[in-house]
Amino acid sequence: EAQVTQNPRYLITVTGKKLTVTCSQNMNHEYMSWYRQDPGLGLRQIYYSMNVEVTDKGDVPEGYKVSRKEKRNFPLILESPSPNQTSLYFCASSLRQGSDQPQHFGDGTRLSIL
Amino acid sequence: QQQVKQSPQSLIVQKGGISIINCAYENTAFDYFPWYQQFPGKGPALLIAIRPDVSEKKEGRFTISFNKSAKQFSLHIMDSQPGDSATYFCAASTSGYSTLTFGKGTMLLVSP
Repeated sequence: EAQVTQNPRYLITVTGKKLTVTCSQNMNHEYMSWYRQDPGLGLRQIYYSMNVEVTDKGDVPEGYKVSRKEKRNFPLILESPSPNQTSLYFCASSLRQGSDQPQHFGDGTRLSIL
Repeated sequence: QQQVKQSPQSLIVQKGGISIINCAYENTAFDYFPWYQQFPGKGPALLIAIRPDVSEKKEGRFTISFNKSAKQFSLHIMDSQPGDSATYFCAASTSGYSTLTFGKGTMLLVSP
């Protein structure tokens, strides 16, 4: 089954403790991205990657890092999480870069930073 | 600066009625306008999309109407069903780029 898999689905942690949210897709997609969803704000893009070793900032990149060492994986790293990063995070992928490429989303990771 | 404005924030429609969600954009470089549907506990999923060279696109009970001069587009759900209860996001992107600019979402409840 074609899918985008995120782990963990839920995480409660404390300020300053480094964490990584993994994202993996099995569709051989070139393009991957991370969004955060906050009430009343919709989805906002954090980072995206057009291919292996090619990443760029989205609208809200502060406090986050990403890497794309393999085509299927695109982890999101919070090196020193803060409470304002409490949010619902989604990873998405599409076949390639392009506005007409439908994006496939994972089921989300709910992070709570205390 | 919010580039895609979506309204209403929430909507209650009776079964069989028409649900209408509106979006307006500011960036004239946008040339692809998808709608995503999100159920609780799930990620958004592409529902229907339109390019500005057409004024309307219909897929089953879902129709997008597009007004290029007004920079507005809307989603119409005909014969709304309880299973349509979800959050709907309009979005926009620019040719050649995958980055989506989302509206803030509309929570639709279709009452039985």
